[in-house]
Amino acid sequence: GAVVSQHPSWVICKSGTSVKIECRSLDFQATTMFWYRQFPKQSLMLMATSNEGSKATYEQGVEKDKFLINHASLTLSTLTVTSAHPEDSSFYICSALGGETQYFGPGTRLLVL
Amino acid sequence: AQSVTQPDIHITVSEGASLELRCNYSYGATPYLFWYVQSPGQGLQLLLKYFSGDTLVQGIKGFEAEFKRSQSSFNLRKPSVHWSDAAEYFCAVYSGNTPLVFGKGTRLSVIA
Repeated sequence: GAVVSQHPSWVICKSGTSVKIECRSLDFQATTMFWYRQFPKQSLMLMATSNEGSKATYEQGVEKDKFLINHASLTLSTLTVTSAHPEDSSFYICSALGGETQYFGPGTRLLVL
Repeated sequence: AQSVTQPDIHITVSEGASLELRCNYSYGATPYLFWYVQSPGQGLQLLLKYFSGDTLVQGIKGFEAEFKRSQSSFNLRKPSVHWSDAAEYFCAVYSGNTPLVFGKGTRLSVIA
C-alpha cells in the first residue's frame, strides 16, 4: 500500500516550452501533496505544499508563476514548469501525505535544452 | 524551528559489517521521526518511522532505529550490511504542522 507514482519519469524539452509532471497517490487519498526539487548529491528542497481544492503554498524563493501547481483531486497533483530554461533542469520529486507519513514518488528528471 | 542533523556525510562499511547512521533532531516536543533511503536516480523509500510507544522500531530490509529522547537522537542500525544497501539515507522529522524537515543525508558505500 501507500504507492505514489509520477509521470513522466524523465522528460527532455526545448527552452521556452512548458512541461507538466503528474503525481498520483494510487491506493490512498491525499489532501496534501508536496513538490520537491533535488540537485545532484544534495538533499531535497521543498518547493511547495499542494492542498486539494485550494491554492498551493510556495516556499520562499520559489516563483509561483513559473511552477504552477494544481491539486484538483484527492489523488492527483500536477506541477507545470512554464517557459522552462536550462537552469530548471533538475530532479523533481513529489510526495503524498497519508496520515502523518509522507510517501514519495519515484521522481521526474527534467532536462531543458 | 525544527532541524535535523546527520553528522556523517559519507560512510563506507564492509559487506557483512554492522552499520549505524546517526541522526539528531531539534524540536520542543517529540516529533514524528522517519528514515528514508534513496537509490541513485530514484525517489525516497520509507524504511521506518517512530510516532510513539516502543523506542526501538523495526523497518524494512533488516533496518532498525532507536529513539532516545535524552539525546534527541534517532540512529539507524543494521547488523549486517549487504552491497545492495549502498544508497543515500535521509533522516526526517514531522511535527504535524509543518512540512517534513530533512537532514542533509548520509551516503553509504559498501565495499567487498
